[in-house]
Amino acid sequence: DGGITQSPKYLFRKEGQNVTLSCEQNLNHDAMYWYRQDPGQGLRLIYYSQIVNDFQKGDIAEGYSVSREKKESFPLTVTSAQKNPTAFYLCASSEVGMASEGYTFGSGTRLTVV
Amino acid sequence: GQNIDQPTEMTATEGAIVQINCTYQTSGFNGLFWYQQHAGEAPTFLSYNVLDGLEEKGRFSSFLSRSKGYSYLLLKELQMKDSASYLCAVRPTGGGNKLTFGTGTQLKVEL
Repeated sequence: DGGITQSPKYLFRKEGQNVTLSCEQNLNHDAMYWYRQDPGQGLRLIYYSQIVNDFQKGDIAEGYSVSREKKESFPLTVTSAQKNPTAFYLCASSEVGMASEGYTFGSGTRLTVV
Repeated sequence: GQNIDQPTEMTATEGAIVQINCTYQTSGFNGLFWYQQHAGEAPTFLSYNVLDGLEEKGRFSSFLSRSKGYSYLLLKELQMKDSASYLCAVRPTGGGNKLTFGTGTQLKVEL
């Protein structure tokens, strides 16, 4: 079955460490996205990519980095520069140019700084 | 800029009908989506509106008025499993499929 997989489900990070969240999809979607969700807040866009080897900053990109070397994969690195990284991180994918296509979301990674 | 407003919480009774409103102000408009999200899980797609009017899909319907910057999600014959957060999201023009989300409405269905 086609889908989008995020790993790990739970992740603990020490202060000052970089961590990388994995996102893999086998839906053959061109576009991929990373969102952050905090309690009582909506999803906020961190980075997105509409094609391999290209990506753009979203609304809250500071302290994060991404790569898009393969169509299937869009890993997110949370760097030590991100001051408040504890949150629920959601990866999504979609077709580009299909108007009614919604996102397909992964199951999320809950990151906690300890 | 983008601004999307939804009520924070709503409570309704099993078997009843509930309407969740969403108002938006965005730089251009190219469609509005509703998603359902259970606690700790990924959002799932419910509906899409790009033209004015009502879209019906089983127990769920979504309405759009572009001139008013307004949408609502109507849930009929409420079930306990409908207790979840409902997210309104708008796709502005010129951003590909990039979506801007509201804060979500937490719906609690009671007996």
